Amino acid sequence: GESVGLHLPTLSVQEGDNSIINCAYSNSASDYFIWYKQESGKGPQFIIDIRSNMDKRQGQRVTVLLNKTVKHLSLQIAATQPGDSAVYFCAETSGGGADGLTFGKGTHLIIQP
Amino acid sequence: DADVTQTPRNRITKTGKRIMLECSQTKGHDRMYWYRQDPGLGLRLIYYSFDVKDINKGEISDGYSVSRQAQAKFSLSLESAIPNQTALYFCATSDGGGLAGPYNEQFFGPGTRLTVL
Repeated sequence: GESVGLHLPTLSVQEGDNSIINCAYSNSASDYFIWYKQESGKGPQFIIDIRSNMDKRQGQRVTVLLNKTVKHLSLQIAATQPGDSAVYFCAETSGGGADGLTFGKGTHLIIQP
Repeated sequence: DADVTQTPRNRITKTGKRIMLECSQTKGHDRMYWYRQDPGLGLRLIYYSFDVKDINKGEISDGYSVSRQAQAKFSLSLESAIPNQTALYFCATSDGGGLAGPYNEQFFGPGTRLTVL
């Protein structure tokens, strides 16, 4: 069936380094993608989104890249900080997201001092 | 104050009991969603609603029911709880479009941890 998945369940990076979290999706009809951050004991928090008519979008210290040819999504976090430690989920949807999101399994990002 | 609140935050119950989880929002959003999260898995959609007269099944609606009592309130019920419904439950809201168009982020509540013994 259609699914969204992540390549790595855990990613450990040194504080100050850049991190890249990857996500593969299989639903070719997906037209909207979102990255969420979930800290322990909290709900998912929106980080950045991208529509299928774009291949790159930048926010504050974060960049999302979308490669529709290979159905791949990535989240780049620049100059990681201790507060970036969390589980990161990619989510996808079609039709703008009205019918809910399909989430990947999550990547646990660990920032080492 | 939180824009999306959920009650209770934690609940332990027994098999066969009826449980209701409440969600309230002050964002004025039309769309509301219920998801469940299991260890090692992403969130999965249970039910969603576009307004008080609209209820839609999500990926895993079996064993659950919902009620949209008002624009700001969306409750999830487990009529007869079973142990495999032990999970984290999240409510989310999103705007219905407007100037932002159909692409709208979802805002999540803090979650309810439900344990069914």
